[in-house]
Amino acid sequence: DIQMTQSPYSLSASVGDRVTITCRASQSISSYLNWYQQKPGKAPKLLIYAASSLQSGVPSRFSGSESGTDFTLTISSLQPEDSATYYCQQSYDTPTFGQGTKLEIK
Amino acid sequence: EVQLVESGGDLVQPGGSLRLSCAASGFTFSSYSMNWVRQAPGKGLEWVSYIGTSSDNIYYADSVRGRFTISRDNAKNSLYLQMNSLRDEDTAVYYCARQNPNPKFDYWGQGTLVTVSS
Repeated sequence: DIQMTQSPYSLSASVGDRVTITCRASQSISSYLNWYQQKPGKAPKLLIYAASSLQSGVPSRFSGSESGTDFTLTISSLQPEDSATYYCQQSYDTPTFGQGTKLEIK
Repeated sequence: EVQLVESGGDLVQPGGSLRLSCAASGFTFSSYSMNWVRQAPGKGLEWVSYIGTSSDNIYYADSVRGRFTISRDNAKNSLYLQMNSLRDEDTAVYYCARQNPNPKFDYWGQGTLVTVSS
């Protein structure tokens, strides 16, 4: 299986901050990388697909990028409602998820 | 509006069986592949199983292969997961998720809790 390693495990940031979360694949996955947001007690929500495409209805402050096997989710200006756990997921092969990054608002 | 509603979760003893259902509405169910994804309490997401549009292609995670069976009924707009020989480590919230051809899990149900415990 392809391993997905996210960093950091958790982070705390202030409203208005620029936040980045990184995901590294254990092998090449082309651009088959998706990002999800999950709030406590809720189902995951798709934010970014194909590494950098914004899912319909998702605020434009969310963006994704890639460099080789490294992928980044960026929130350009953090909002209170962005407090959640974020997961990356590769769809190149049998789906696997990163371990998650818990984002808290200071 | 796309809706996925899971049901069937329950408390079951180790070695027992359970059948989960996912009722779909708001889209042409027969045109989409579907998946089950689970999340153990306080843990991350784990893909469980995939089924193609006409049940032609079916895949399982190693952790459930031989014990779980995915199926669908396009006439009833429903997805199923038959879970046999349940283990403590199968305790989780089980989500059904629609797979867009991109591929991506673009819609998820609210989840149903399966607890395996004696």
